[in-house]
Amino acid sequence: EVQVLESGGGLVQPGGSLRLSCAASGFSFSNFAMTWVRQAPGKGPEWVSLIGGSSGYTQYGGSVKGRFTISRDNSKKMVYLQMNSLRAEDTAVYYCAKGKGSGRREDYGMDVWGQGTTVTVSS
Amino acid sequence: QSVLTQPPSVSGAPGQRVTISCTGGSSNIGAGYAVHWYRQLPGTAPKLLIYGNINRPSGVPDRFSGSKSGTSASLAITGLQAEDEADYYCQSYDSSLSGSGYVFGTGTKVTVL
Repeated sequence: EVQVLESGGGLVQPGGSLRLSCAASGFSFSNFAMTWVRQAPGKGPEWVSLIGGSSGYTQYGGSVKGRFTISRDNSKKMVYLQMNSLRAEDTAVYYCAKGKGSGRREDYGMDVWGQGTTVTVSS
Repeated sequence: QSVLTQPPSVSGAPGQRVTISCTGGSSNIGAGYAVHWYRQLPGTAPKLLIYGNINRPSGVPDRFSGSKSGTSASLAITGLQAEDEADYYCQSYDSSLSGSGYVFGTGTKVTVL
């Protein structure tokens, strides 16, 4: 079964750090880009970051650029999101999702989603 | 504030057809980037319904169809069922002077009357 499973969420104080993990299974992991998408309470999804399959290419949304770092370990089929300088507005459910698309990366969708992990930034 | 605008809500009776629009601009849909559609039930992750403007993933019924024209895209649901009551989001890519990245629409709540 193709699936991804997030972990690492929790309560953190403003200015703090947290590292999210995403374990993938059931597909050729290194062949696919992976993304992080977050959803604040009562809001729509917001794309956070993408990492290429084997190229290592990374891209970030404007609201997290310079604070978050995405990485992957293809040997372990894992994706990570290191979140630093956390703010209250980073409070959200964070989803890991597998990229879907065979052409240019700008045309990627997301076809396999985890159940999400909750990050709460509060003092 | 998303660059992709959707109607906040649409409704229809069981068996009817409803459409959800996704209006963008020249830096996203109008630039030729693909549009994807997701359905989200309360408390669950989004689920991919349509990818690459018109394609259905395996397992998605043919009651769902996508289209794209100019700076807009649409999702049509025919034979509306109670289980279709959910939030729907379009997604594409935006590239402008202020930055580039993947963007989601404002979301549409579908109500089955």
